[in-house]
Amino acid sequence: GQQLNQSPQSMFIQEGEDVSMNCTSSSIFNTWLWYKQDPGEGPVLLIALYKAGELTSNGRLTAQFGITRKDSFLNISASIPSDVGIYFCAGQGDSGGGADGLTFGKGTHLIIQP
Amino acid sequence: NAGVMQNPRHLVRRRGQEARLRCSPMKGHSHVYWYRQLPEEGLKFMVYLQKENIIDESGMPKERFSAEFPKEGPSILRIQQVVRGDSAAYFCASSPRRVQSPLHFGNGTRLTVT
Repeated sequence: GQQLNQSPQSMFIQEGEDVSMNCTSSSIFNTWLWYKQDPGEGPVLLIALYKAGELTSNGRLTAQFGITRKDSFLNISASIPSDVGIYFCAGQGDSGGGADGLTFGKGTHLIIQP
Repeated sequence: NAGVMQNPRHLVRRRGQEARLRCSPMKGHSHVYWYRQLPEEGLKFMVYLQKENIIDESGMPKERFSAEFPKEGPSILRIQQVVRGDSAAYFCASSPRRVQSPLHFGNGTRLTVT
C-alpha cells in the first residue's frame, strides 16, 4: 500500500518554541487527519480536514489541507512538555488505505528539551 | 461514552499457537478497521468490516489471518500458527459512517511471539 511522506522524522526543540511538520503524497486524498500517539497508547485524533484549502485550529494546534489535496501541515505554537509524542498524518480516500480507511505517514517524533 | 475497547492489552504466544484479538467499537459505530504497527513505523491498514461483512481485506496477509465482526459481540482478529514476524501492536478503530468520518482508535493489543 501507499505511504505518505512525513517530515521531519524527529524534532528536538526547546519548550515554548513553535513546531511545524508536514505530509506529502503523490495521490489525492479526500480527508486529511492528524493524530498524536503516546507510548503504549493508541493514536488520538487532533484535527480533521475535509476540504482543500481548509485551515483548522484546535487550541495551540493549526492544520491545513493543501489546495492540491496532496499535502497537509500541522503547526504547534508555544510547545509545552505534554506535547512530547509521535505525530502522524493520515490521508483518507482512494489511495490504498482500504475502502475509506487511512493511509498513515511514518510519524514525527517530537522531543522537548528542558 | 466508552471509547474503542481492545483486549487483551498484551498477548504472548509461542510460535505455532493461535492469537485472538478482540475489539468493541464505540457505541453507535458500525464500521471497524484493523491496523498493524511495527516499532518506529506508522500504522498499516489490514481490514475493514461492517456488521457481518468484510468490506476490504486488501491489507491482510492471505494466509493465517482472518477477521470477523458478528452481529452480536466484538470484532475478532485471528492469527493462526503465529510466527515471530507477527509480533507487533494491533490497533482497532471504529467510525459511525463510511465517508468524512474520522477513525477513533483503541489502545491496541501488543502481540509478542516467542
